[in-house]
Amino acid sequence: GNSVTQMEGPVTLSEEAFLTINCTYTATGYPSLFWYVQYPGEGLQLLLKATKADDKGSNKGFEATYRKETTSFHLEKGSVQVSDSAVYFCALSPFTGGGNKLTFGTGTQLKVEL
Amino acid sequence: DTEVTQTPKHLVMGMTNKKSLKCEQHMGHRAMYWYKQKAKKPPELMFVYSYEKLSINESVPSRFSPECPNSSLLNLHLHALQPEDSALYLCASSLGGEGGDEQFFGPGTRLTVL
Repeated sequence: GNSVTQMEGPVTLSEEAFLTINCTYTATGYPSLFWYVQYPGEGLQLLLKATKADDKGSNKGFEATYRKETTSFHLEKGSVQVSDSAVYFCALSPFTGGGNKLTFGTGTQLKVEL
Repeated sequence: DTEVTQTPKHLVMGMTNKKSLKCEQHMGHRAMYWYKQKAKKPPELMFVYSYEKLSINESVPSRFSPECPNSSLLNLHLHALQPEDSALYLCASSLGGEGGDEQFFGPGTRLTVL
């Protein structure tokens, strides 16, 4: 079956530090990959996506590259802000029949301090 | 309009009550989803509607009853719920019902069952 593994949190960083949140996946075929962010008390927002190998998704200073050879989609940001404090979910959606089912990782909580 | 709206934002109900959650999108998406999210966990898929037909039911108890009156609206009817059903209920939509599409989430309804 499909699965997504994320690094355990919480991750605590100082403002302007470099962020990496690791994500690896197991899937049949070549799924689409996503990062969603959930701020406290809110729903999920799509942060970025990639649909094929070597694609780089980017948004709001965040980046992730679809690495087929390592089945990874690590999230990075060069300089985090306090406002980036949230829970980040890595997810995949396979291009197979059976409907559009997202498989989520467990989520990684990020806390950014001044 | 690029958002998914959900009402109400908060709902408190007793175990004998009947209530409904409402979700709406005007992005022309043809697939809509209900998820349940417990604290510090990723969302769990409950139902998928594709082109106004129920395509996926993840073995959800019958006390949850989905309805899709048209391609823009999705309801979740609640009856005889249990305290363990207290959670954040998220609605999402995507362009189609096939794999690979990104899903756009609403802000959620925070449900408390007394």
